[in-house]
Amino acid sequence: DGGITQSPKYLFRKEGQNVTLSCEQNLNHDAMYWYRQDPGQGLRLIYYSQIVNDFQKGDIAEGYSVSREKKESFPLTVTSAQKNPTAFYLCATRRTANTEAFFGQGTRLTVV
Amino acid sequence: GQQVMQIPQYQHVQEGEDFTTYCNSSTTLSNIQWYKQRPGGHPVFLIQLVKSGEVKKQKRLTFQFGEAKKNSSLHITATQTTDVGTYFCAAPNYGGATNKLIFGTGTLLAVQP
Repeated sequence: DGGITQSPKYLFRKEGQNVTLSCEQNLNHDAMYWYRQDPGQGLRLIYYSQIVNDFQKGDIAEGYSVSREKKESFPLTVTSAQKNPTAFYLCATRRTANTEAFFGQGTRLTVV
Repeated sequence: GQQVMQIPQYQHVQEGEDFTTYCNSSTTLSNIQWYKQRPGGHPVFLIQLVKSGEVKKQKRLTFQFGEAKKNSSLHITATQTTDVGTYFCAAPNYGGATNKLIFGTGTLLAVQP
């Protein structure tokens, strides 16, 4: 079954702990993205990667880190430096710069 | 702050009424995409517009790209309850940065039967 897998669907963490969100794709797409969505708000770009071993900051990268060691995987770490990490996190991929984005099902992170 | 704004933020209509959402960018866009996110779901691609002044239709949905390539609109004729969701425009190579995909603030559409 082709697509993008984000895991887990729901995640609870204590304040001050780092947490890593998984995003795996088998679409063979080069570009991968992480977005944050807060209730009633749009999608804000955290990080994106065009190829393996390369990634760029988006508009709200502070408090987050990523890696792109494999084409299929683009994990996002929410660090303790992120002041308000509770949100819905969406991973997306694109084949090329002018094609549509495909999204995973998302991970809902709650920090207590 | 958000570079791609959409209005309105929220729209409530009676089933059968028309609906329009507008997308405005502070910079010229190479192309623009539209997505729909159902409640509790993830965004799904609807269409891409590339040419200045382009108009595309998908059944009851009409998409337009402005002449200056700084704005776009999505119009739904005779809304149905299945149209409920948040509609986003997206700029695929924002600011000339290849692959930087920026989304608008979104418009939430509620349709009352």
